[in-house]
Amino acid sequence: AQTVTQSQPEMSVQEAETVTLSCTYDTSENNYYLFWYKQPPSRQMILVIRQEAYKQQNATENRFSVNFQKAAKSFSLKISDSQLGDTAMYFCALPNSGYALNFGKGTSLLVTP
Amino acid sequence: KAGVTQTPRYLIKTRGQQVTLSCSPISGHRSVSWYQQTPGQGLQFLFEYFSETQRNKGNFPGRFSGRQFSNSRSEMNVSTLELGDSALYLCASRVESSYNEQFFGPGTRLTVL
Repeated sequence: AQTVTQSQPEMSVQEAETVTLSCTYDTSENNYYLFWYKQPPSRQMILVIRQEAYKQQNATENRFSVNFQKAAKSFSLKISDSQLGDTAMYFCALPNSGYALNFGKGTSLLVTP
Repeated sequence: KAGVTQTPRYLIKTRGQQVTLSCSPISGHRSVSWYQQTPGQGLQFLFEYFSETQRNKGNFPGRFSGRQFSNSRSEMNVSTLELGDSALYLCASRVESSYNEQFFGPGTRLTVL
């Protein structure tokens, strides 16, 4: 069975600083995608970044980047130059073979001035 | 393109009643998935519909059902509501692609009294 684990329920970071959110997962698939989704307070979930497992290069989207360690089954999200608008719940997600997303429990990130 | 829309946004029901939630996917998206989000259980997959057929189902009782229409709009129904059904119900649509990006709606907040 696939599992996704986010071990940090809450984190906080000051504006302009860098923060890393952790995610570990388990899957028997060899090729798969991993996602980080962001859910701001009372707003809808949006995709932050995705990583394809067979690509060794870590994905980057502006201030968001990942550290993907396939052998260790680790998929962390780094947010650089944090902004107040980054305050949100962040979910790590892994699709199963039927395309349903398995989500971690989430990390609540608070960016403070 | 308009995003995923869900109606109603908020709903209050009493135990034993039934409820129907609606989701309109992004134009051109034929796959619609439903997720239940609660503080205790997090995000859990309910089911996925593609071309009017249920393609995948999560581990929920038979009181939870859904359907999809020829225009890809989807409804989910919960019968004999229980207090534990109080949750945010999220709908997501996607276009068939290699990376399975799902686009989420704002959700329907269901409160069961």
